Amino acid sequence: GDSVTQMEGPVTLSEEAFLTINCTYTATGYPSLFWYVQYPGEGLQLLLKATKADDKGSNKGFEATYRKETTSFHLEKGSVQVSDSAVYFCALSPYNTNAGKSTFGDGTTLTVKP
Amino acid sequence: DGGITQSPKYLFRKEGQNVTLSCEQNLNHDAMYWYRQDPGQGLRLIYYSQIVNDFQKGDIAEGYSVSREKKESFPLTVTSAQKNPTAFYLCASSPGQGGSEKLFFGSGTQLSVL
Repeated sequence: GDSVTQMEGPVTLSEEAFLTINCTYTATGYPSLFWYVQYPGEGLQLLLKATKADDKGSNKGFEATYRKETTSFHLEKGSVQVSDSAVYFCALSPYNTNAGKSTFGDGTTLTVKP
Repeated sequence: DGGITQSPKYLFRKEGQNVTLSCEQNLNHDAMYWYRQDPGQGLRLIYYSQIVNDFQKGDIAEGYSVSREKKESFPLTVTSAQKNPTAFYLCASSPGQGGSEKLFFGSGTQLSVL
């Protein structure tokens, strides 16, 4: 079946540091790929998505590129802020299925210190 | 503002008791979903509904029940048959059913056992 593997956390960075959170996936066909962010005590919010190979999703300074050859969708940000502290989830959704049946990674907790 | 409202934010269940978690959306979305989130883990799908008066089991439906009598509402009942109910429960919706659709999440309900 489909699976998503995320870089284990927690990740602790200083403000303005470069962020990479690795995500690799296993799926048949051409899934859509997502990054969601969860702030403490809240639900998930879509951060960015990509729906086909070589697409780059971007939002709020975060970027991720859909790499079919390496089955990866790594999240990057050039300069993190304290307000970026949250849990980040990578997810995939096969093109021919319901969006709610997405497969989620276990989440990576990011803490940014001033 | 449009969104998904979950209530209550915190809920306590006594042994042998059924409890119901509320989920209401004013986004006019057809599809709605319930997920369970345990610490350090990804989301697992409990039930989903693609249209009023219809719903399907997800990956971990045992011990749970749902109804979808109105488009806006998708309540989840955690029954006494669910022996390990302590978790964070998230309701979500999507405007369509395609795999590339993003999910909109509520802010969650934390259920604990007394």
